[in-house]
Amino acid sequence: DGGITQSPKYLFRKEGQNVTLSCEQNLNHDAMYWYRQDPGQGLRLIYYSQIVNDFQKGDIAEGYSVSREKKESFPLTVTSAQKNPTAFYLCASSLTSYEQFFGPGTRLTVL
Amino acid sequence: GNSVTQMEGPVTLSEEAFLTINCTYTATGYPSLFWYVQYPGEGLQLLLKATKADDKGSNKGFEATYRKETTSFHLEKGSVQVSDSAVYFCALSSNNAGNMLTFGGGTRLMVKP
Repeated sequence: DGGITQSPKYLFRKEGQNVTLSCEQNLNHDAMYWYRQDPGQGLRLIYYSQIVNDFQKGDIAEGYSVSREKKESFPLTVTSAQKNPTAFYLCASSLTSYEQFFGPGTRLTVL
Repeated sequence: GNSVTQMEGPVTLSEEAFLTINCTYTATGYPSLFWYVQYPGEGLQLLLKATKADDKGSNKGFEATYRKETTSFHLEKGSVQVSDSAVYFCALSSNNAGNMLTFGGGTRLMVKP
């Protein structure tokens, strides 16, 4: 079955540590996105990539980094510079049409 | 810039009640409009979409009509079920925004038996 996978589902991090969230898709989509969702809030765009080896900052990129070395993969690193990283992180992908498909999400908690 | 405004929740209904969740938007150009649903602890699922004025999107008993004259895309369902309890997000995407989705803040629906 085609789809988007995110791992792990739950992630715990100590303050001062970097952590990488995985996002893989087998839908042959060109574009991939990372969003952050806080409790009771909407989604905010962190980074997006429309082609391999290229990515752009979204609205809240500070403290995050990404790479897009393969079409299928778009990992997100939450660095120690991100002051309030506890949140639910959602990855999405799309073709050239506007419809985005979302993964199941990763819940990150900083201890 | 683009923006989406949804009615604030939570919306609490009894089973079999009629549902309306209001959504209005501001956008340049000709946006496409979407409703996504998020069940607890999960990602977002596309519920329905409309790509041009007067289009009606429908799925699983939910409907929404793209009203350009009122810049609205209200979500409706004639008879809700307990299983419809979730958070609903209205969103738009336009060429002017490089295919980016702009989301509303979400509306939590709680359906009681």
